[in-house]
Amino acid sequence: NAGVMQNPRHLVRRRGQEARLRCSPMKGHSHVYWYRQLPEEGLKFMVYLQKENIIDESGMPKERFSAEFPKEGPSILRIQQVVRGDSAAYFCASSPTRSNEKLFFGSGTQLSVL
Amino acid sequence: SQELEQSPQSLIVQEGKNLTINCTSSKTLYGLYWYKQKYGEGLIFLMMLQKGGEEKSHEKITAKLDEKKQQSSLHITASQPSHAGIYLCGADAINTGTASKLTFGTGTRLQVTL
Repeated sequence: NAGVMQNPRHLVRRRGQEARLRCSPMKGHSHVYWYRQLPEEGLKFMVYLQKENIIDESGMPKERFSAEFPKEGPSILRIQQVVRGDSAAYFCASSPTRSNEKLFFGSGTQLSVL
Repeated sequence: SQELEQSPQSLIVQEGKNLTINCTSSKTLYGLYWYKQKYGEGLIFLMMLQKGGEEKSHEKITAKLDEKKQQSSLHITASQPSHAGIYLCGADAINTGTASKLTFGTGTRLQVTL
């Protein structure tokens, strides 16, 4: 049973470009969470999604960031017009139910903005 | 908002030695999660504590949550090189009763020397 798959592992973008980060949850998991780890900071919650629904986006920046988890296909975290401050490791996690006591994390996407 | 402080920030121990990592919260912890992050990889779930005074063990790792539920410690007995990595504590900040929205500490970087 494959774990949480994130791609790409590394993404380099120039300022102003768009970044698309993908996350395929574990088989059977319908709950997806995105976290961001800025340099020298802890992991910060961004958004929690269930299939086709955003449940909690209280950690998402108000502008340029969006997330989706369509009925078919991976969850996508999209960052428009990236800036240097967006450089970070973005982690996706999944769980089979909302009440699950643990999250299964992917290996992350390291975004570097030049 | 809840803050989690981990100490020490980094730790170098000789193989075979015991060590303790602490996680202190500014507010009551409703659920406390310990994860391990290997360099460049995702997080691996270690343990979850919920009740004051609770203690759990897995192999050579023991975690405790104090009675007041504002501090947790992670103790490793007879450390091995495989224990090296970054240890993160995460908290269920708003008493969701789940891991759906965690606040993480900044981590403790552990190195184990031969």
